[in-house]
Amino acid sequence: LAKTTQPISMDSYEGQEVNITCSHNNIATNDYITWYQQFPSQGPRFIIQGYKTKVTNEVASLFIPADRKSSTLSLPRVSLSDTAVYYCLVVGYSSASKIIFGSGTRLSIRP
Amino acid sequence: EPEVTQTPSHQVTQMGQEVILRCVPISNHLYFYWYRQILGQKVEFLVSFYNNEISEKSEIFDDQFSVERPDGSNFTLKIRSTKLEDSAMYFCASSEAGVNTEAFFGQGTRLTVV
Repeated sequence: LAKTTQPISMDSYEGQEVNITCSHNNIATNDYITWYQQFPSQGPRFIIQGYKTKVTNEVASLFIPADRKSSTLSLPRVSLSDTAVYYCLVVGYSSASKIIFGSGTRLSIRP
Repeated sequence: EPEVTQTPSHQVTQMGQEVILRCVPISNHLYFYWYRQILGQKVEFLVSFYNNEISEKSEIFDDQFSVERPDGSNFTLKIRSTKLEDSAMYFCASSEAGVNTEAFFGQGTRLTVV
C-alpha cells in the first residue's frame, strides 16, 4: 500500500492560492492520486483525481510530475469556507478495495 | 446531486447493547464501505462490500461487527455488543466502480456509548 506524506497543517489568507504537496514515493504503476476534503462533523468529499501531468476541475488543480512520486493540490483564491482537512490518497491496485486515509493537512484560512 | 443517506444522525446506546446503523447508498453504485472516525482522530477503514459479500475488512472489524445489504437498497452496519470505545462518527460510502472512482460519503452517524 503506497504511503503518503503531507504537511500536518497550513495557514493562509482569503484570496490567496494554496498549494498542498504530498509525497508518495512507492506509488505503483496502476495507482491514481486522489484528494478528499473534510469539514468538521461531515464525511469526506472527493475533490480531484489524477494519474499524471495536470488535472483541473471547478474546485482545484492537481499537478503530478513525470516520476509521480509527489503531487500538489492547488486551491485558487481560497475563502474562509475552504478551511478543512485535506487528504492525499493513493488508490488503485496497491490499495485493493479500500481507501485509506492518513492524517491529512489541516488548512486554516484567515480573513 | 445524488447523495448517500445515513440514519440516525445521532444514536446514544448503553454499553453492551446492539446497534444498527443504516445507510442508503447511491442507487447505481456497486461498492459500499463503512468507516469510523473517533473524535479528533483519523478516518479509519472498517469494511468494503461488493457483490453481496465483504471484499476487505480491517483489524477493527472484528466479530462484534457485521454488515448486510438486506433489500437491495439499504446497507447496514451492526455492532453486536457496544463498548465505550465504539463511540465515534460512522460514515457510509459508496462508489460506482471501486476505489479508482469517486467515493461518496454520507453525513455520518454519531454513536455515543454510555
